[in-house]
Amino acid sequence: NAGVTQTPKFRVLKTGQSMTLLCAQDMNHEYMYWYRQDPGMGLRLIHYSVGEGTTAKGEVPDGYNVSRLKKQNFLLGLESAAPSQTSVYFCASSYVSGSYNEQFFGPGTRLTVL
Amino acid sequence: AQSVAQPEDQVNVAEGNPLTVKCTYSVSGNPYLFWYVQYPNRGLQFLLKYITGDNLVKGSYGFEAEFNKSQTSFHLKKPSALVSDSALYFCAVRDRSGSARQLTFGSGTQLTVLP
Repeated sequence: NAGVTQTPKFRVLKTGQSMTLLCAQDMNHEYMYWYRQDPGMGLRLIHYSVGEGTTAKGEVPDGYNVSRLKKQNFLLGLESAAPSQTSVYFCASSYVSGSYNEQFFGPGTRLTVL
Repeated sequence: AQSVAQPEDQVNVAEGNPLTVKCTYSVSGNPYLFWYVQYPNRGLQFLLKYITGDNLVKGSYGFEAEFNKSQTSFHLKKPSALVSDSALYFCAVRDRSGSARQLTFGSGTQLTVLP
């Protein structure tokens, strides 16, 4: 099993450009999450999904959109990138049963917005 | 609201010595607690979790953590540190009775094990 994979690994954008980050998992997990990691701030939840076709806002959703058209994929979009969105983005997934299930993380996408 | 505090940004320990990485939490109900580790340029990896029962939880790579409800703490420990344990460690919490489906992570503690 590949686990959780993320595409691309690195990206540099100019302010105002758009892009989509792709997350895929092959563990048949129901829940999927997008986080951003900034120095000294830990991980902050951007959006999450509890199943195919459903999404919800996390702690820092502004400037991002998501879609979960297929169970195995969770896309994160930036419509008009800003320098404040320079960060490392992590996708994660977990089983549906119980709220105590650990999350499995992808390797991350390092995004720089100039 | 739920929150996590990791009071130490950096912990240094000599190889072979015991290590402790501290974590305190705040929830309105009872917690689920987790420790994750992040190696350079990698995603987070699950180490261990507390759900219920025995306050001492054992996890991967010889790590363990002790849940202390009265002190609202969940410190990560290892009896004998290895250089390969050097990494960034995150504590996370979720309130069992809360409506939020998400974990709240601490800011992380950089552990350096010196040879």
